[in-house]
Amino acid sequence: NAGVTQTPKFQVLKTGQSMTLQCAQDMNHEYMSWYRQDPGMGLRLIHYSVGAGITDQGEVPNGYNVSRSTTEDFPLRLLSAAPSQTSVYFCASSETSGSSYEQYFGPGTRLTVT
Amino acid sequence: LAKTTQPISMDSYEGQEVNITCSHNNIATNDYITWYQQFPSQGPRFIIQGYKTKVTNEVASLFIPADRKSSTLSLPRVSLSDTAVYYCLVGPDSNYQLIWGAGTKLIIKP
Repeated sequence: NAGVTQTPKFQVLKTGQSMTLQCAQDMNHEYMSWYRQDPGMGLRLIHYSVGAGITDQGEVPNGYNVSRSTTEDFPLRLLSAAPSQTSVYFCASSETSGSSYEQYFGPGTRLTVT
Repeated sequence: LAKTTQPISMDSYEGQEVNITCSHNNIATNDYITWYQQFPSQGPRFIIQGYKTKVTNEVASLFIPADRKSSTLSLPRVSLSDTAVYYCLVGPDSNYQLIWGAGTKLIIKP
């Protein structure tokens, strides 16, 4: 199993540009989420999904869109990049049943907006 | 969502046992306590999870007192490779959400 994969690893954008961060998992997990992590800080939830066709907002959703057309993929779209969106972005997945809430994280995408 | 309080940083030496305590005074009845480890430039990695008393796995132990208002992650005989940030989380809520604090930066010295 590859686990959770993210592409690209690094990206530089100019203010106002748009782009999509890709996330895929091969563990058949229903729950997927996107976080951003600023230097020295914990993770903040952007959007999440509890299954294909179902998405919802997290703590910091402004400026981002998501969709979930398949169980495996959960792309994050930046609509019009701003310097405040410079951060490291992590995608995670987990099961939604049982008593374990272990989240599996991807390697992250380091985004710089100039 | 219950918030947690952890020390900002700790340091110890190779071969020592390290205990990191987390306070979660507003923990809800259904909340679990979960600890993650994060190395620089990597995503967090699950270490251990518990609900009450004591849980032990191959890398750590988790001690939870009866009132569940705090928990202690115990790392036996640490090595330099245990230098990382450790996060304590409680939850999740009905939407599977967890709140991530700033974590504890643990530095292991030779």
